[in-house]
Amino acid sequence: ETGVTQSPTHLIKTRGQQVTLRCSSQSGHNTVSWYQQALGQGPQFIFQYYREEENGRGNFPPRFSGLQFPNYSSELNVNALELDDSALYLCASSFRTGNYEQYFGPGTRLTVT
Amino acid sequence: AQTVTQSQPEMSVQEAETVTLSCTYDTSENNYYLFWYKQPPSRQMILVIRQEAYKQQNATENRFSVNFQKAAKSFSLKISDSQLGDTAMYFCAFQDITQGGSEKLVFGKGTKLTVNP
Repeated sequence: ETGVTQSPTHLIKTRGQQVTLRCSSQSGHNTVSWYQQALGQGPQFIFQYYREEENGRGNFPPRFSGLQFPNYSSELNVNALELDDSALYLCASSFRTGNYEQYFGPGTRLTVT
Repeated sequence: AQTVTQSQPEMSVQEAETVTLSCTYDTSENNYYLFWYKQPPSRQMILVIRQEAYKQQNATENRFSVNFQKAAKSFSLKISDSQLGDTAMYFCAFQDITQGGSEKLVFGKGTKLTVNP
């Protein structure tokens, strides 16, 4: 069974740029959720994708957007990067209406300078 | 909106001893799950234990057990026979499983646990 993978591991961007983060879900899972974890804080829910559609969104502006592909992998796109976007971005996969457990990837550390 | 509170920013315990991490939550929902996740320095968030709100029996997983008090909205984690590998950040998380919802996780701010040799 393949676990959740994320790429890249680390990323450094300049304020105003755009970034795309990628996530491959665990085998058998059909739902992907994205979380932002600022330093010293708990993860905050960004949004969730199920059947290639957004299925719930947290308190994040529209410049945070995403995609889910037919193979259930997902992308998180952030436009017009701000310094406060510096964080660990976590992807979690699950099987919707299954046992509700979400399994996390190792995260992407984004630094905005 | 649901909130999760972990009132202990840091805790330490001696190897082989028992430690309890506290968590309280606030919700008006009746159908939900509660989780404890562990995040070691490697950053990977690892599921430790899960509790379904409709179950009165407290969940256990080997050395890890919970004390779930639904009326008090309390969900503490007990780690028995602490091991050096238990050193990590521990996050309590709430999940509303109302049908049609996003099943998002709401996390507390975490408790940093250090196990000393």
